[in-house]
Amino acid sequence: KAGVTQTPRYLIKTRGQQVTLSCSPISGHRSVSWYQQTPGQGLQFLFEYFSETQRNKGNFPGRFSGRQFSNSRSEMNVSTLELGDSALYLCASSLLSYGNSPLHFGNGTRLTVT
Amino acid sequence: KQEVTQIPAALSVPEGENLVLNCSFTDSAIYNLQWFRQDPGKGLTSLLLIQSSQREQTSGRLNASLDKSSGRSTLYIAASQPGDSATYLCAVNRASGGSNYKLTFGKGTLLTVNP
Repeated sequence: KAGVTQTPRYLIKTRGQQVTLSCSPISGHRSVSWYQQTPGQGLQFLFEYFSETQRNKGNFPGRFSGRQFSNSRSEMNVSTLELGDSALYLCASSLLSYGNSPLHFGNGTRLTVT
Repeated sequence: KQEVTQIPAALSVPEGENLVLNCSFTDSAIYNLQWFRQDPGKGLTSLLLIQSSQREQTSGRLNASLDKSSGRSTLYIAASQPGDSATYLCAVNRASGGSNYKLTFGKGTLLTVNP
């Protein structure tokens, strides 16, 4: 069974631009959750989508948004990029809600904002 | 606000040693707790998930225990191998009704197993 796929692996953007990251979950998994990982803050939960609906949300500004398609693939968008948005962005899929079953992570997208 | 602490931040041991990694949390009203490993430049791999009603879970050489009342979990690794070298993270999940969950991660313990 194919694992969680994140594209692209690396991105370099300039302050003020916007970016879209993509996540394809394991076949059959309906939940996709997104995380930001930085050396200073560690791993922080952004939001979770389940059957195309956002069901849980972390404490991030509205510049961070996402969506999920009918095939469970998910995208995350960050608008008006700031230097502090430089991070490894991870997505994870799970069979049930992200809090209720083991999470399967992708290898992440490394975003650098200059 | 839930706070998750992992001590030590880094640990170096010789191959073959048994070791324990610690995870403590401030709010004992948890739903479950997961242990992950992360290899450099990679995502996380789920190792064990313990529900709040369970005391421990085992998978191969790994054993995780949970003591909600004291706000602690431990991950025991038996007969460590160089391939176990990675960062180990714990994540504590609090449920607030329905499908509302809040997952809080520790900052991890960097484990190095020397041949």
